[in-house]
Amino acid sequence: KQEVTQIPAALSVPEGENLVLNCSFTDSAIYNLQWFRQDPGKGLTSLLLIQSSQREQTSGRLNASLDKSSGRSTLYIAASQPGDSATYLCAASRGSQGNLIFGKGTKLSVKP
Amino acid sequence: GAGVSQTPSNKVTEKGKYVELRCDPISGHTALYWYRQSLGQGPEFLIYFQGTGAADDSGLPNDRFFAVRPEGSVSTLKIQRTERGDSAVYLCASSFLGTSADEQFFGPGTRLTVL
Repeated sequence: KQEVTQIPAALSVPEGENLVLNCSFTDSAIYNLQWFRQDPGKGLTSLLLIQSSQREQTSGRLNASLDKSSGRSTLYIAASQPGDSATYLCAASRGSQGNLIFGKGTKLSVKP
Repeated sequence: GAGVSQTPSNKVTEKGKYVELRCDPISGHTALYWYRQSLGQGPEFLIYFQGTGAADDSGLPNDRFFAVRPEGSVSTLKIQRTERGDSAVYLCASSFLGTSADEQFFGPGTRLTVL
């Protein structure tokens, strides 16, 4: 059974710092790995999707990597801003139909 | 529409009552997913539709939960005999083809509170 874990549960950093959020999964037979952002009381916003055949994806200040052999993915945020404050969720696709298994998230706070 | 919409945004009901939650996916998206998110947890998969049919309902917790998508667009999640443990945010997502290569777009969710 696939389990997704995110560490740390919460992170507070000063503005401008580069930071890394970690995600681990127990079953390497994933179809993709997605990172989402969730603001309080809101739905999820997709940030990056990495296919199982890919190693990384980049979008602006965000870079996500995937290492299936070790069961890990990282989300790198460069030059963090207060507007980056949110909960970041990673999710592994449990099948070809895209059904997702989520971690509990990392709550990020960027202090001005 | 421009994004996935869900109604109502909030629903308060009493234990034992029946509720319906509605999801309007992005126009043209064939795949629709329902997830449930409890406080402090990540979303948990409930059911997946491809067109009008439920392709995977393995996440539905019990037979009190049922979902339909009669015309392949709008979906309704139905919960019978609600229990306090059903309180959560119910999220709906849609994607273009429903494959693992497709990005899922989420709605804002319906917060269900069972008193």
